[in-house]
Amino acid sequence: KNEVEQSPQNLTAQEGEFITINCSYSVGISALHWLQQHPGGGIVSLFMLSSGKKKHGRLIATINIQEKHSSLHITASHPRDSAVYICAVSSTGNQFYFGTGTSLTVIP
Amino acid sequence: KAGVTQTPRYLIKTRGQQVTLSCSPISGHRSVSWYQQTPGQGLQFLFEYFSETQRNKGNFPGRFSGRQFSNSRSEMNVSTLELGDSALYLCASSLENTGSPLHFGNGTRLTVT
Repeated sequence: KNEVEQSPQNLTAQEGEFITINCSYSVGISALHWLQQHPGGGIVSLFMLSSGKKKHGRLIATINIQEKHSSLHITASHPRDSAVYICAVSSTGNQFYFGTGTSLTVIP
Repeated sequence: KAGVTQTPRYLIKTRGQQVTLSCSPISGHRSVSWYQQTPGQGLQFLFEYFSETQRNKGNFPGRFSGRQFSNSRSEMNVSTLELGDSALYLCASSLENTGSPLHFGNGTRLTVT
């Protein structure tokens, strides 16, 4: 049983398309993180949120605490957005759980 | 401001040996957490240190241990290495783990032969 489920696992999009990645979790959380990992391993934290919605450039993250669900949206996708996107949660039990990641490829 | 620094970047060890990995957090960050990433299991939480104390621990055997020094630098040790310990080991620092964004290092890629 995975505490964090992500979908889709793989996603291919044309440049300019609107992209949505979904994350569902089953534990009580203190925060939810969206992470980006490029080939080579480096991880960048995109968002940390515990309620509502956050926006940074073309990226938008939303969370619905009642439904235990979060989405990451990328507007006007670009080839440089190609990466693995990982949802992670800090649980109220002081554990940290990760989704398996969504591999995004944006084709020019 | 310098980012999170992990050393070494690559390491090759033999089964049965032990290894120590190092993580220097961003200046002013007091929380350091460690993660293991493998193709089969994905990212998994190892442990978190705050002000030299282990605050949280994931579900890993006792062969995995760590410590944090007074300057917030952290080390992770794996004893009696097994082939399955081959992985990318990442550390992240934050001001305060549960309430602050995480800043990741580039990782140490450990290969056990």
